[in-house]
Order: sequence, then C-alpha cells, then structure tokens
Amino acid sequence: QLQLQESGPGLVKPSETLSLTCTVSGGSISSSSSYWSWIRQPPGKGLEWIGSIYYSGSTYYNPSLKSRVTISVDTSKNQFSLKLSSVTAADTAVYYCARPMSGFDPWGQGTLVTVSS
Amino acid sequence: EIVMTQSPATLSVSPGERATLSCRASQSVSSNLAWYQQKPGQAPRLLIYGSSTRATGIPARFSGSGSGTEFTLTISNLQSEDFAVYYCQQYNNWPLWTFGQGTKVEVK
Repeated sequence: QLQLQESGPGLVKPSETLSLTCTVSGGSISSSSSYWSWIRQPPGKGLEWIGSIYYSGSTYYNPSLKSRVTISVDTSKNQFSLKLSSVTAADTAVYYCARPMSGFDPWGQGTLVTVSS
Repeated sequence: EIVMTQSPATLSVSPGERATLSCRASQSVSSNLAWYQQKPGQAPRLLIYGSSTRATGIPARFSGSGSGTEFTLTISNLQSEDFAVYYCQQYNNWPLWTFGQGTKVEVK
C-alpha cells in the first residue's frame, strides 16, 4: 500500500526558504504515470495546489506561487521535495504531499509549517 | 484557471437525513471531478472520482453526479462520522488542479 510522509522544519523565519521532503513507501516514485504533488492548507481555510513533479523531473506550478516554488525529485531515495522562498506569514499552513491520479490519493498526514520570527 | 465554487458554505443536517452538496466549475471539466472528506486534524480523503465513481472503501451512502459545470455530492442516511468538511476538485485542466472552498456539514 502506497504511503507518503512529509518531513521538515515546523518553524521558518520570514523571508527565508521553507523546505519539506515527502518520502514515498510501498511503491516506487519512478513508476510510470506517476506525478507527485504538494498541496497546502492555511489554518481554517481551504486547499491550494502548489505544484507537481513527474518522476523524470518535469514540473508544474501554481501560477500564483510559481516565482517562489521549486519542486525536485530524488528517485534514489524515493523522495520528492518542496522549496518555497521568501516566505511570509501568509505561507503558514499545513503542507501535504499527495499523488494525483483521478483525484489526489493517497495523501501524507500533513505537516504544519509556521512562518514567524 | 478553472474556479470551483461550492454551495452552501455550511449545511446543517440531522443524523439519518440526506445532505446534498453542490459544486460549480467556471468552465466545463467534463466528468473530471473528485470529492474529498476532511475531518479536523486529518488529511483529506478521496471519496469520489470521475464525478460518480466511489473510491475504494467508500460506503454506498456517498454518491456523486453531474458533468460539465454542475456537480452534486449526496450523502444519504447521514452517520455521525460523516459530519466533516467536503471539497470538490477538478482535474480536467491538467496539471493545473483546483479545489472548491469547501462545504461544512454540521449537526442540526
């Protein structure tokens, strides 16, 4: 059974770069037709797709975040990562990794990242 | 960008009754629509994909319908565990996926 797990710092200072990693278990990140995504949810608010990466490295980003987002993949570690630069308090959210198929499934449990000095 | 609009924002329903949630797309998404359930402190769970196909393990009381721009999620015989927030999401405009803002189903 495919499982995803986010990891990374829970606190980031304003203007710095948020970095998170998603570890995939129960399957290969390099399997065909596999895109891997990051989604976030500010406290008490809805879901926002951040971006996705194909196992080969092709990336797609939400236009509203594109200038600050980098998603990368490490097939040797079965992981993919998110970097969000120049963060502000508005980037405080629970960050999820998920696999998009017909709908996103499965999801990681999510990790809360707070932007504060 | 395809904008997904859900209504109502909050739906008050008694246990055992039926809940009907709506989702509208700003342009046609064909049947490429999914529904999710999210409980406090948990990740969203995929309920429905392809507008009407239940995901693995989802009870039959959850049903989806619609195509194009108008979609409905119906929860029949509401159980206590069904009170949650529900999101719709289009995946027709791949890979620029977008979500609705959510509908909270609360106890009446």
